[in-house]
Amino acid sequence: SQELEQSPQSLIVQEGKNLTINCTSSKTLYGLYWYKQKYGEGLIFLMMLQKGGEEKSHEKITAKLDEKKQQSSLHITASQPSHAGIYLCGADADKLIFGTGTRLQVFP
Amino acid sequence: DVKVTQSSRYLVKRTGEKVFLECVQDMDHENMFWYRQDPGLGLRLIYFSYDVKMKEKGDIPEGYSVSREKKERFSLILESASTNQTSMYLCASSHAGGYTFGSGTRLTVV
Repeated sequence: SQELEQSPQSLIVQEGKNLTINCTSSKTLYGLYWYKQKYGEGLIFLMMLQKGGEEKSHEKITAKLDEKKQQSSLHITASQPSHAGIYLCGADADKLIFGTGTRLQVFP
Repeated sequence: DVKVTQSSRYLVKRTGEKVFLECVQDMDHENMFWYRQDPGLGLRLIYFSYDVKMKEKGDIPEGYSVSREKKERFSLILESASTNQTSMYLCASSHAGGYTFGSGTRLTVV
């Protein structure tokens, strides 16, 4: 079965710094999702990537899917406290499976 | 926008009780899912359904059952709640690859 591994598990950065979260799949990705979750709440859809080499941006968040479609990265530029939360990558494997998440804290 | 509504944000139940978690979506999606989320384990799929009266086991179905009598409603049932079922439960619906999640139910079993 397909598995997703995220790194790092936890990240603490100062406001204004850039950061990257990685998601690696054990099999080829045919649909890669990024979600954000505020503590104790549901998941908010960020982006979906499907094509090798694809890159999407929304505000200060950029996600990329590598050419081999087995790894994705999420990059936040000039982080803010509002970026804090848990970031989850998900993949379509008949059903939606998730990585274990990356907990991001941003301090002033 | 698709809306997925979970009936309770917080629930506290006693060991041995039968517990119903309700999820309703308003966009006629065929697919609905129940996940639980635990620290260090991420989201794990409990059950999913591709159509009315249809259900499939996910990765951790033990101790749970589901009901989908109507397309818009997918219920998760804990037949006899146990303390190891204390968790955050998330419902989702999907159509053509887009997934929408509810805001979650935090269940505590005491």
